[in-house]
Amino acid sequence: AQRVTQPEKLLSVFKGAPVELKCNYSYSGSPELFWYVQYSRQRLQLLLRHISRESIKGFTADLNKGETSFHLKKPFAQEEDSAMYYCALRPLGGGGNKLTFGTGTQLKVEL
Amino acid sequence: DTGVSQNPRHKITKRGQNVTFRCDPISEHNRLYWYRQTLGQGPEFLTYFQNEAQLEKSRLLSDRFSAERPKGSFSTLEIQRTEQGDSAMYLCASSLNSGGTQYFGPGTRLLVL
Repeated sequence: AQRVTQPEKLLSVFKGAPVELKCNYSYSGSPELFWYVQYSRQRLQLLLRHISRESIKGFTADLNKGETSFHLKKPFAQEEDSAMYYCALRPLGGGGNKLTFGTGTQLKVEL
Repeated sequence: DTGVSQNPRHKITKRGQNVTFRCDPISEHNRLYWYRQTLGQGPEFLTYFQNEAQLEKSRLLSDRFSAERPKGSFSTLEIQRTEQGDSAMYLCASSLNSGGTQYFGPGTRLLVL
């Protein structure tokens, strides 16, 4: 079974401050990790996936298999980053392809 | 808009009634997923289709729930004899093949009174 834990329901930071949204996972096989974001009144959308190893909107995330973590980071928060962020996992290599989500972290960037 | 669409966007029903939701995936996507999201939780997997074949169902999908994708294009999710615990946001997603990104629809919010 797979499990994704996001320990913070709400994270509040000031504009320009660094951001780190925590995500830990539990899975016996090889995982593929994702961050999805939901802006106010918009649908859930993919922010980034660990396989791509890219930076989107200044956000990065590194898969740490030793600590089973996939924390999302941004060096300088912007007001437009305020949103709900979900970490998600699926088995690498296909299979069912279903995503297992965490409970989400609401990021609030204050001026 | 060529994204995933869902109808209706909102549904209010009385306990015991049946409801049906529709999802239209991105046109070339052969995989279609249903998730349910309750307040304070992330989306939870319900079931998925590859073309018209339903390949996996979650234990969350009780026998009151049924999903179809008859022609491998749009899908419907029906809930019979609704209960208050069925109140949730029902999300649909689609992807191109098994390793593709899942693109989500706007969801159908169900309220059972």
